[in-house]
Amino acid sequence: GNSVTQMEGPVTLSEEAFLTINCTYTATGYPSLFWYVQYPGEGLQLLLKATKADDKGSNKGFEATYRKETTSFHLEKGSVQVSDSAVYFCALFRNTGGFKTIFGAGTRLFVKA
Amino acid sequence: DTGVSQDPRHKITKRGQNVTFRCDPISEHNRLYWYRQTLGQGPEFLTYFQNEAQLEKSRLLSDRFSAERPKGSFSTLEIQRTEQGDSAMYLCASSLNGKGDRNTIYFGEGSWLTVV
Repeated sequence: GNSVTQMEGPVTLSEEAFLTINCTYTATGYPSLFWYVQYPGEGLQLLLKATKADDKGSNKGFEATYRKETTSFHLEKGSVQVSDSAVYFCALFRNTGGFKTIFGAGTRLFVKA
Repeated sequence: DTGVSQDPRHKITKRGQNVTFRCDPISEHNRLYWYRQTLGQGPEFLTYFQNEAQLEKSRLLSDRFSAERPKGSFSTLEIQRTEQGDSAMYLCASSLNGKGDRNTIYFGEGSWLTVV
């Protein structure tokens, strides 16, 4: 079945450090891929997305590239800020086996000043 | 364009009581989803509607759970005879089944349920 695996957290970085959060997926065909962010006590917000192989999604300095050959969609940011502290979820949408979005377990990021 | 709204945001209830959550999706979004999220986990799919039709239910949705979307607009999720294991955040999301952004779901702020 369809599934998403992302690196375990927490990830702790100093401000202005480089961020990578790994995400790999299992799915047939070409799913759409997403990163969502969740701040404490809130719902999930869409951060970025990519709908086909080699697409790069980007938003607010974050980016991720859809790699079909490695079934990956790693999240990166060149210089993190304290305000980036949150939980990040990788997700995929596939319209076989039901029209639903499947999420990874989330990776918590702490950024220290 | 208003986002997905959920009500109530927080609910504390005694074990055995019934609770109901309401979700108003983004206007013109015809798909509506319910997810459950427990601490330290990602959202788990419960059910989804296309317009008023409930097209899929997860095995997580026991007989005590029922969801409706009577007119294809707002939806309710009812939990009967609550148990402590039902304590979680219940997330509603919506998407547009059409060209463009159709596979992207947008979440509300969630409804926290605590069963004591």
